[in-house]
Amino acid sequence: DAGVIQSPRHEVTEMGQEVTLRCKPISGHNSLFWYRQTMMRGLELLIYFNNNVPIDDSGMPEDRFSAKMPNASFSTLKIQPSEPRDSAVYFCASSLCRTTGSCTNEKLFFGSGTQLSVL
Amino acid sequence: AQKVTQAQTEISVVEKEDVTLDCVYETRDTTYYLFWYKQPPSGELVFLIRRNSFDEQNEISGRYSWNFQKSTSSFNFTITASQVVDSAVYFCALTPYNAGNNRKLIWGLGTSLAVNP
Repeated sequence: DAGVIQSPRHEVTEMGQEVTLRCKPISGHNSLFWYRQTMMRGLELLIYFNNNVPIDDSGMPEDRFSAKMPNASFSTLKIQPSEPRDSAVYFCASSLCRTTGSCTNEKLFFGSGTQLSVL
Repeated sequence: AQKVTQAQTEISVVEKEDVTLDCVYETRDTTYYLFWYKQPPSGELVFLIRRNSFDEQNEISGRYSWNFQKSTSSFNFTITASQVVDSAVYFCALTPYNAGNNRKLIWGLGTSLAVNP
């Protein structure tokens, strides 16, 4: 079975450019998460979707960040304009939430991440 | 406030040694879940175990074992007879049992384990 697929694996861009990260969750999973990992702050949840609907975007750093999930098999995280402090590894994760409402105990399946460097 | 502390930033051992990774958590919730994830050099995080606060029974899976002590708010992870393939960053995490839409895992900063041949 294919796992969570992220693209690109590496992205190098210049400050001010738009960056789009892509994620294909595991087929059948109904929750999708975007995380950012840095040495200083560790793993930070940026946003998560349940059944393609954004549920909590309080972790999105600022208006330069946006995320979409147009269907159950695809999500994007966009940074526009990018800044050097956005350099990090961005992970997408998916899970299957088997209950309605609260679903905090499911295990997450992570993609391999996108290493973003903004020069 | 909820918090997960992994006091050991880096650990280095020689192959076949036993090693314990510490995890201490803080929460006011009476029911919660604890997790361990492994991040090998390839980058993706891999789920290892989930434990709910009702179940303090220790768990063993091959060379891996977990010691959940509610009295000390700890959920430690032991690797017996470590191998080079165990080299990775290990994360401990916490989440409330019923949190409505607040589904954020609280992550520790990780412990980097190097197993040397």
